[in-house]
Formats: sequence, structure tokens, C-alpha cells
Amino acid sequence: SAVISQKPSRDICQRGTSLTIQCQVDSQVTMMFWYRQQPGQSLTLIATANQGSEATYESGFVIDKFPISRPNLTFSTLTVSNMSPEDSSIYLCSAPKAPGLETQYFGPGTRLLVL
Amino acid sequence: AQSVTQLGSHVSVSEGALVLLRCNYSSSVPPYLFWYVQYPNQGLQLLLKYTTGATLVKGINGFEAEFKKSETSFHLTKPSAHMSDAAEYFCAVSDRVAGNKLTFGGGTRVLVKP
Repeated sequence: SAVISQKPSRDICQRGTSLTIQCQVDSQVTMMFWYRQQPGQSLTLIATANQGSEATYESGFVIDKFPISRPNLTFSTLTVSNMSPEDSSIYLCSAPKAPGLETQYFGPGTRLLVL
Repeated sequence: AQSVTQLGSHVSVSEGALVLLRCNYSSSVPPYLFWYVQYPNQGLQLLLKYTTGATLVKGINGFEAEFKKSETSFHLTKPSAHMSDAAEYFCAVSDRVAGNKLTFGGGTRVLVKP
């Protein structure tokens, strides 16, 4: 399985500020994914981070609110901008792992509380 | 568009009893199917998956699931629940493009009673 790490593991932030979450994969991957898990709910895909191109956002998520960087094949960042209490969630990154690439492996998540 | 329905947001079982978590999906083409488990304050761990071949798949921790195309189902079972099985379980699907995004069901929280 892939080893995926995220930083920070948790944070408490003030409304109106921004937080950047880092995701590191132990091998090169073409696509990385960012998900949000709101309290007591399931996971919702925010965007797909492609190396060398703009991220692809799902309906309801916009680049101004969730800018994503993908500088190389093992790393990505997600920024939660101008935060409000409604952004309090767990943010998870994932990546497919060889050989078949059909299986997504997840990082441990970043637990964000916005006051 | 794909969708996943998990019947029952909470399931309570006695230790040693059968665990049955239901998952039905909607997809225009046969998808890849997954079950993930999330323990408190942790990320998601893959339990098992179906991509092709044998429709009964075995995973970690004694879990198994059967893909039934005619019923568009992928129910998860474990013959005998253990206290350590208390967690949230998510069924997910992706289309048959390698490395593609997942669509998750709503999740089922399992409580195991001693």
C-alpha cells in the first residue's frame, strides 16, 4: 500500500484566515485527490490535482476558496481560504497506487476547527 | 453519474454475531467497488475491493463482500463481530479508469456490544 502523510494533523484557526494542508506520497503518482469530510458525514471530493496542469474541481467547489498546488509527482497542497466555521471538517488526500492504480490510498487526514 | 447507497447509518451488533453492512450502487457501467473502514480519529483504510474475477472477495480482519451485478449490490459481512470492529465503514465506487476518483456512500457506524 502507499504511504501518504499529511501536515498538519489538526489545527484550530480563526475565521477569515487561511490554512495550507500538505500531502506527501512515498512514490510518484499522476493524480492526487482531495476530499472533505464534514462532521458526522461521508467524504466528498473537492478536486483532482494533476501534475503539470490546473486542478479539476467538483461541483460546489471553486479555486478561489480551495486553491491547489501540485509542484511534482509526490506532493500537493490544498489551501482553505478565508475560513468560516462551516469549513470545520477533516480534509483528506488520496492517491492511486501501482500496480493496478485502481485503488485509492488515503492520508491520515487534517482535522480543522474554525472558530 | 455514479451513486452509492448504504442502508442504515448505524448498526449495533453483539460481540460474536454476524456483521452485515449493505451497499447498493448506481452506475452506467460496472464499476470498481471498495469498502473502507475509518477508526476514530484516523484516516481511511482499505478493507477489500472488487475489480474483476471472483465475485466473492475477502479482505482484512475477516471481512468479505460479494458483488452481485443483477442486484447492483456489494454487501459487506463478517461472521463474528469483535469489539475492535467498532468503526465507521464506507462503501465506494469508481469507474473503470485507473486511478479515478471515488464516490462514497453515506457511511455506516458499527457499534459492537459485549
